[in-house]
Amino acid sequence: KQEVTQIPAALSVPEGENLVLNCSFTDSAIYNLQWFRQDPGKGLTSLLLIQSSQREQTSGRLNASLDKSSGRSTLYIAASQPGDSATYLCAGRNMRFGAGTRLTVKP
Amino acid sequence: KAGVTQTPRYLIKTRGQQVTLSCSPISGHRSVSWYQQTPGQGLQFLFEYFSETQRNKGNFPGRFSGRQFSNSRSEMNVSTLELGDSALYLCASSLAISYEQFFGPGTRLTVL
Repeated sequence: KQEVTQIPAALSVPEGENLVLNCSFTDSAIYNLQWFRQDPGKGLTSLLLIQSSQREQTSGRLNASLDKSSGRSTLYIAASQPGDSATYLCAGRNMRFGAGTRLTVKP
Repeated sequence: KAGVTQTPRYLIKTRGQQVTLSCSPISGHRSVSWYQQTPGQGLQFLFEYFSETQRNKGNFPGRFSGRQFSNSRSEMNVSTLELGDSALYLCASSLAISYEQFFGPGTRLTVL
């Protein structure tokens, strides 16, 4: 069974900082990994999908990497903004979700 | 292109009742997954359907069931509701299993 762990559980940063969110998984045979954000009381918004054959994906200020051998994925957010405040979740094959990282970006 | 739609958005039921939630995937998507989200347990996978067949199932009791129709729309049913079933139920669709998933806004179920 795939176990997904996200660290840190919560993060508070001032606006403009670059930050890294971590996702660890136990099954190195991961097919793909997807990063989402969730605003309070809302559904999930897909941010990036990394296929197992890829090492990273970029979308605007977001960059996600995947290292299957170490069982880790990171989401890098550049020049954070208050609008980035949300919970960020990662999920692997069969969509087992981590508990998420709650991000607060202070103006 | 319309996103994933879920109906109803809010629902209040009492213990012992049963409930049916509906999910319409993005046009062309053939895989639908269901999740339960609670403050205590986080996001938990319920089941996944593809081409009208259940392909994966999470660790939930048999009171939770689902089905998928030929047009890929899906329903999930919870029978004999318990207080602990109060949650946000999310549906996600993808082109096929293990492709990028897109989530609907969810159905907020409250069991009294």
